[in-house]
Parts: sequence; structure tokens; C-alpha cells
Amino acid sequence: AQSVTQLGSHVSVSEGALVLLRCNYSSSVPPYLFWYVQYPNQGLQLLLKYTSAATLVKGINGFEAEFKKSETSFHLTKPSAHMSDAAEYFCAVNSGGSNYKLTFGKGTLLTVNP
Amino acid sequence: GAGVSQSPRYKVAKRGQDVALRCDPISGHVSLFWYQQALGQGPEFLTYFQNEAQLDKSGLPSDRFFAERPEGSVSTLKIQRTQQEDSAVYLCASSLDIRPTDTQYFGPGTRLTVL
Repeated sequence: AQSVTQLGSHVSVSEGALVLLRCNYSSSVPPYLFWYVQYPNQGLQLLLKYTSAATLVKGINGFEAEFKKSETSFHLTKPSAHMSDAAEYFCAVNSGGSNYKLTFGKGTLLTVNP
Repeated sequence: GAGVSQSPRYKVAKRGQDVALRCDPISGHVSLFWYQQALGQGPEFLTYFQNEAQLDKSGLPSDRFFAERPEGSVSTLKIQRTQQEDSAVYLCASSLDIRPTDTQYFGPGTRLTVL
């Protein structure tokens, strides 16, 4: 079985501050991990994914995430927040094999204050 | 290029009515997924198609839910005798191939409200 825990349903940062969104996973096999962003009334857009290549993954809009097997974590970071980063962020896991579905966390709402 | 489209974007149904939700995936994409997103929650898997074959329907909450993709492109999710607990956003996603590392591209969703 696979699961995802996102610590903090709501994170608030000031514009220009570091963004850190936490994700921990549980998987019985080496996982594939994804971060998606969802803007209001829109579908989910992929930010980045870990597919067992480099453990530090760079994505769009200046975001990156580091896969840490020992901590079962895949936290999302961005050095300097922009107002346009305000959205809901979802971490997801896929354990591969014949299991193609994504299992999502409950999401973290990021607000950026001017 | 065109992304995943879904229609209608909003649907209001009276309890007991049947509804049909449509998904147009990206052209040529082999895999198609349906997810249900309740308010304040992450999406939850409903069902998966590889071309026209429905390979996994383990997430469908009851036998009132039915999905099809008869020609391996457009898919329809049908909900019979809708209940209030069916109110949610229904998301469709498609991916190019069948690898678990393939990116799933999501549509904007259909927001279903059952009164």
C-alpha cells in the first residue's frame, strides 16, 4: 500500500521568502513521486517528478524537490516566493509495477503575503 | 497544443438523477484516468483505461458509477441515481504511454453538485 502525508494544510509566507512544503510518503517498493499545483477552478499542473534518476529534481517556476529515502521525504522548495505562487500544492506517489494510479496527499494551500 | 478537456464544467443534479461526464484526452494518449476530488481533499483514484480496456476500477465507490472509453479516446463517467455524497469535482487525466513515470495531464474538472 502507498500513502502520502503533507504536513501543514496551510502555509503562509511573505513575498521573497523561502517556500518549504513538506511531503512524506509510505511505499512498500521504491516510489515515483510527483508534485502538482492547482490554481482555483483549474486542473492540476505538474511541477516536477522523481523517477529514480537524480535525487534533486528541478521543476518549473523555480521549484525543486529532494528525494530522501532515509527520511521517506520529498519536500518542495523555492528560494524566493512570488505572489503568483499562491495556489494549492499536492504531493503524489506511484509505486509503479502494474499500479498506475497516483495516490495524493490532502494538499497544502500556499498564501503569499506582499 | 490542446490539453485535456472536460464537459460540462459545472453540473447541478437533483438527488436520484443520472449524470454523464465527458473527458476528451490529449490526442494519441494511451492511458486515461478518472479521479474524484472532494472539497478540501486531494484527488482520489476512481478508474484507469489503457486504450479502450478498463484495467482498474477498484476506486469506483459503488455500482452506481460506470465508466467507458469505447474507441480508446473520449471517455464518459456515468453516475446513476446520484446521491448528495457524490458532490465533488471529477478530474480526468491522460498520459502518453503506460509507464508509471509518465506525466498525467489533468483536465479542469467537472464540479458536480447534487441537491
